[in-house]
Amino acid sequence: EVLLVESGGGLVPPGGSLGLSCAASQFTFSNYEMNWVRQAPGKGLEWLSYISSGSRTIYYADSVKGRFTISRDNAKNSLYLQMYSLRVEDTAVYYCVRGSPIGASYYFDSWGQGTLVTVSS
Amino acid sequence: DILMTQSPSSLSASVGDTVSITCRASPTISTYLNWYQQKPNKAPQLLIHSASTLQSGVPSRFSGNESETNFTLTIRSLQPEDFATYYCQQSYNIPFTFGPGTKVDLK
Repeated sequence: EVLLVESGGGLVPPGGSLGLSCAASQFTFSNYEMNWVRQAPGKGLEWLSYISSGSRTIYYADSVKGRFTISRDNAKNSLYLQMYSLRVEDTAVYYCVRGSPIGASYYFDSWGQGTLVTVSS
Repeated sequence: DILMTQSPSSLSASVGDTVSITCRASPTISTYLNWYQQKPNKAPQLLIHSASTLQSGVPSRFSGNESETNFTLTIRSLQPEDFATYYCQQSYNIPFTFGPGTKVDLK
């Protein structure tokens, strides 16, 4: 069974930085595209960022472009999200999400349990 | 960005009922539409992709279909474990966007 385990969440003041990690196991990580999705307390889901299997292609949502950086280390089976200039509205549970295998459609087929980031003074 | 809307925002139902949730995309997204189920304090789980393809392991009482810009998730014979929030999501283009969710609770 696919396993994605996020870590690194916590309390950070506005304007601060935080790095999240996602450890992947039980599948060939280097073959899959990955994403970060977040969910503010009591709110819906917001896609944040995508990275291709070899890191060649990266996309961001406008809400985090220029402040967040996605990366991966296939040798370590790990996905990362470095967050800078954090705002109160970045408070959310952050999910590490696997993209579907290459095919006609694209979907998020496996999700981590999430890690909570709280931005507050 | 593609705007995803869902209706209703919530519904109350009983075990054994059949319920349907509608999702609309603007502009159109072909069949690049996925459905997720989220239970309280849990991560979302994929139910259906490509508008109507049931994800492996998902019970057959869940089904999805599409008609022009409308997509429908139907749950037949609602079970206690189906009370949750359901989200649609488009993968037609970046940024991927989700609907606001439909909460299904016990009447």
